[in-house]
Parts: sequence; C-alpha cells; structure tokens
Amino acid sequence: QKEVEQDPGPLSVPEGAIVSLNCTYSNSAFQYFMWYRQYSRKGPELLMYTYSSGNKEDGRFTAQVDKSSKYISLFIRDSQPSDSATYLCAMRSGGYNKLIFGAGTRLAVHP
Amino acid sequence: DVKVTQSSRYLVKRTGEKVFLECVQDMDHENMFWYRQDPGLGLRLIYFSYDVKMKEKGDIPEGYSVSREKKERFSLILESASTNQTSMYLCASSESYGRTPTGEQFFGPGTRLTVL
Repeated sequence: QKEVEQDPGPLSVPEGAIVSLNCTYSNSAFQYFMWYRQYSRKGPELLMYTYSSGNKEDGRFTAQVDKSSKYISLFIRDSQPSDSATYLCAMRSGGYNKLIFGAGTRLAVHP
Repeated sequence: DVKVTQSSRYLVKRTGEKVFLECVQDMDHENMFWYRQDPGLGLRLIYFSYDVKMKEKGDIPEGYSVSREKKERFSLILESASTNQTSMYLCASSESYGRTPTGEQFFGPGTRLTVL
C-alpha cells in the first residue's frame, strides 16, 4: 500500500463548478499537508499548506485536513479554465526534509 | 524571484549511453532533490542532498547516481541509460529543516528524457 493515495483522474468539470480533490494517507506521523499545482510542461508550485488538522482558505481555494480519518481535501469554488492543471497532494512528518507526494489528479475546467 | 533551472527541457539518448542531467538553484538552499514523474505514479524520489558532497538514496535510486560539488548545483547521472528510464525528471530545492515549517520545495521546469 502506498503511503499516500490520490485518484489520478482525469476530472473534467464545467466552468463555475465546485471541485473536490482528495488524498488519503496511512502514516499518522504526517503533520504538514500541502497541495501543489502543476501546469502542463511546468514544474509543480506550492498552492496551499496546512499544519495538522483543520481548514485553511485562500480566495477560491480551501484546504481541509482530517487527521482522524487520514484524509485531506482541496476545494476549488467557481472553477475557471485557468485552474486546469494537475494537483498533487504532499505530506511531511516533522523533522524530515522529504515530502511524500500523491500521484496527482489531472483537472480540466471547460468553458 | 526564486529559480531552479535544469540544463535541458528535452533529451533523447540511446540505450547504454551515460546521461548527465544538471540542476542549478539560485536561492542558497541546503537541500536539493531529484524526482522522476510518470503517469499514474506521481513524483518518486530518486536521490536527495542536504549539503555539499552529501547525498541520500530516495525510493528508486537503482540505475542512478548523483553529484553535488557546489551548493547551487546537483547533478543526476544515468550510468547506462535504459528504456525504462524514459521519464520526466524534476529537480527541486528547499531550505533546511527548521528554517521552513513546511519543507516547501521549489521545482525546475523538468527534463523530458527519452531513451531509445
């Protein structure tokens, strides 16, 4: 079993839809939870991060962490064609430099 | 603006060739990483380095080696390229643990390597 599971999609939604992206994980030592966005032919860039459990909101994006269920989510409200990208979840346990990445979910938002 | 650059965007090599992939960062970061990215498998860590001349194996080091002679430069070497090493290779850098709570990594644009 992989440490981090993420459905690779692809996910196709109409413009304006609410998008939900999810990851599950098995290592209870993870404390930092991140979402990276990767546009085609580019490297990933950090979109949001959350420490431990809870929610974090940044504009149209909301990140949620439920440590009891070992489940994290990224919600995108009012999705735009410019949100079309691959979204990767990533996790880290304290004291280590390595990130563990999910497989990435490819999202297409069509006008 | 932070920057990680990789020597080539696209590379085509033949089976058995020795291949060098170069990565340079201008952020004075201690940590540098090499990943390969394949559809459905995500990012898999090949090697990382937390200081000059220091390296540690990642999850899939077989068939690869690395070199870090200067802080800003991290090289990935395929000693004898094989077709199953055809992939997208991504380099990343980050500050050391303790200086960044998240361990945020900054990525280069990637090198798409095809081994024929």
